[in-house]
Amino acid sequence: NAGVTQTPKFQVLKTGQSMTLQCAQDMNHNSMYWYRQDPGMGLRLIYYSASEGTTDKGEVPNGYNVSRLNKREFSLRLESAAPSQTSVYFCASSSLGTGGEAFFGQGTRLTVV
Amino acid sequence: AQSVTQLGSHVSVSEGALVLLRCNYSSSVPPYLFWYVQYPNQGLQLLLKYTSAATLVKGINGFEAEFKKSETSFHLTKPSAHMSDAAEYFCAVYNAGNNRKLIWGLGTSLAVNP
Repeated sequence: NAGVTQTPKFQVLKTGQSMTLQCAQDMNHNSMYWYRQDPGMGLRLIYYSASEGTTDKGEVPNGYNVSRLNKREFSLRLESAAPSQTSVYFCASSSLGTGGEAFFGQGTRLTVV
Repeated sequence: AQSVTQLGSHVSVSEGALVLLRCNYSSSVPPYLFWYVQYPNQGLQLLLKYTSAATLVKGINGFEAEFKKSETSFHLTKPSAHMSDAAEYFCAVYNAGNNRKLIWGLGTSLAVNP
């Protein structure tokens, strides 16, 4: 009954370092998403994958890359971290295309110093 | 373009009082509408959703919302607030033209006072 699993839960990076946030879902959903959440700004979509084999930019894609590794997994990569990327990151998956809803992971709290 | 407006970024109620969180949307086609709740340091979880069946939708933890097409609203209510309802609440809209993306409101932080 795992749902959406994100790793790691916490991370501190130095400016310029790179890292990959991992996300996996076990609900056989076609669509997956990466959001960032900052105080007062709600959820902002970074990238999404409407179906396996496709990825598209969201509202705030600069500084990020994604890989839809297979139907289950969708990773987010920061190539050269900047302090402006300090945020809480959420992965989600959904069956919206067939009348369902979105499910969220527990989040990754990232600090870039 | 679709949008979601949540009126009031912070709402404070007394324990036992009515909770009313407002959400207005714009959509050129019939939408699906959602309310999600986020407790501190957790991810978002679905409270309830409207998908063109009954206009009054009941969700978890005693919450309900009514879809009013004429007012383009989907306000969330609970008759009697409990301390455990203190959280961030997000309204979201989806339709088939969104390429499977939800459009989110900015959220409303609900405080419940003893």
